[in-house]
Amino acid sequence: SQQGEEDPQALSIQEGENATMNCSYKTSINNLQWYRQNSGRGLVHLILIRSNEREKHSGRLRVTLDTSKKSSSLLITASRAADTASYFCATVGGAQKLVFGQGTRLTINP
Amino acid sequence: SAVISQKPSRDICQRGTSLTIQCQVDSQVTMMFWYRQQPGQSLTLIATANQGSEATYESGFVIDKFPISRPNLTFSTLTVSNMSPEDSSIYLCSVEVFGLAGMNEQFFGPGTRLTVL
Repeated sequence: SQQGEEDPQALSIQEGENATMNCSYKTSINNLQWYRQNSGRGLVHLILIRSNEREKHSGRLRVTLDTSKKSSSLLITASRAADTASYFCATVGGAQKLVFGQGTRLTINP
Repeated sequence: SAVISQKPSRDICQRGTSLTIQCQVDSQVTMMFWYRQQPGQSLTLIATANQGSEATYESGFVIDKFPISRPNLTFSTLTVSNMSPEDSSIYLCSVEVFGLAGMNEQFFGPGTRLTVL
């Protein structure tokens, strides 16, 4: 079964608002990565957060990691229409393989 | 990072036929991976392809159905054999590189959208 569970499955907000997506996982990890996928195309790597890190920023993206709760969140601030996409978290554990969550479909309304 | 290209970008095939998907990366990499993404679903790892060795398949995937070649450090192919409509998916290759975060990161190709009639 998939390691990551993402919440919500779908999110629709107005342009300019912030979007928050959550990811939970089941076993210990080495790192957690977030990806974006536009309309069934390839995945774009957004950010990697190590298991010993709690927060990381990249532009309008903020990722948090709580290993005690086995959860992560991705915050996109000041959303734009171009942020409309599916967002996936993926964990890397001892087997050094990426295991993907089910994804969140984000729609930014103009 | 790495720049990855895939051919074809999409195809429509008849059941019972086979399709070979090519993946080319702009730098030499040790680890290459093939994933399947069924409609509306997440990604599932098919196999790991290391140059000079047999591909390692995940549970539920077999070499007869998804033979993989890895002739050098920049190229790999995945063949989807004896296709059925259930094989309709996006197939993605990815490579692992040592990233700015000081850990291995995976970068993905644009995917091949396969429809089997």
